[in-house]
Amino acid sequence: DAGVIQSPRHEVTEMGQEVTLRCKPISGHNSLFWYRQTMMRGLELLIYFNNNVPIDDSGMPEDRFSAKMPNASFSTLKIQPSEPRDSAVYFCASSFSMSNQPQHFGDGTRLSIL
Amino acid sequence: DQQVKQNSPSLSVQEGRISILNCDYTNSMFDYFLWYKKYPAEGPTFLISISSIKDKNEDGRFTVFLNKSAKHLSLHIVPSQPGDSAVYFCAASGGYAGNNRKLIWGLGTSLAVNP
Repeated sequence: DAGVIQSPRHEVTEMGQEVTLRCKPISGHNSLFWYRQTMMRGLELLIYFNNNVPIDDSGMPEDRFSAKMPNASFSTLKIQPSEPRDSAVYFCASSFSMSNQPQHFGDGTRLSIL
Repeated sequence: DQQVKQNSPSLSVQEGRISILNCDYTNSMFDYFLWYKKYPAEGPTFLISISSIKDKNEDGRFTVFLNKSAKHLSLHIVPSQPGDSAVYFCAASGGYAGNNRKLIWGLGTSLAVNP
């Protein structure tokens, strides 16, 4: 069974550039989550979608961050312009939308902004 | 303000012995708790969960205990194996109106099981 697929696995870019992270959730899952992991703050929820609709984006740090889910099998997280403090590992997870269903994670994108 | 706390950043255990990982929470509205395991360069993997209506849940070598009055949960691994060496995250949800799938995460405990 294919799990959550994220691309790219690694991204190194210069400050000011646009960065796009991609996620394909597990087929049949209708909730999708974007997280950021840093040493200081651990795993932080950035935004989550239910049936392709953003439900909670209170974790999105600022307007430079945006996320879309144009269909049930694809989501993007975009940072424009990127800054060095955005360097982190970004995870995507998906789950069934019923209560208390565990989230299944991709292997993450390690982002470095120089 | 950390609502889910894992106070031990690391733990070292001998193979075959019991590993006990602890987690404390502050929000009494949390009603569902999960443990995840994470290997380097991989995403977290779901391990075991417990609802607040229970005080124990067991799955093979893994048992989670919940003490609601103390707002404390623990993960027991018996017997510990070298392949269990990983970072373990505690997460909790609940208390968010219409939004109970939002998970709040601890910072993790790195477990090393020595052969």
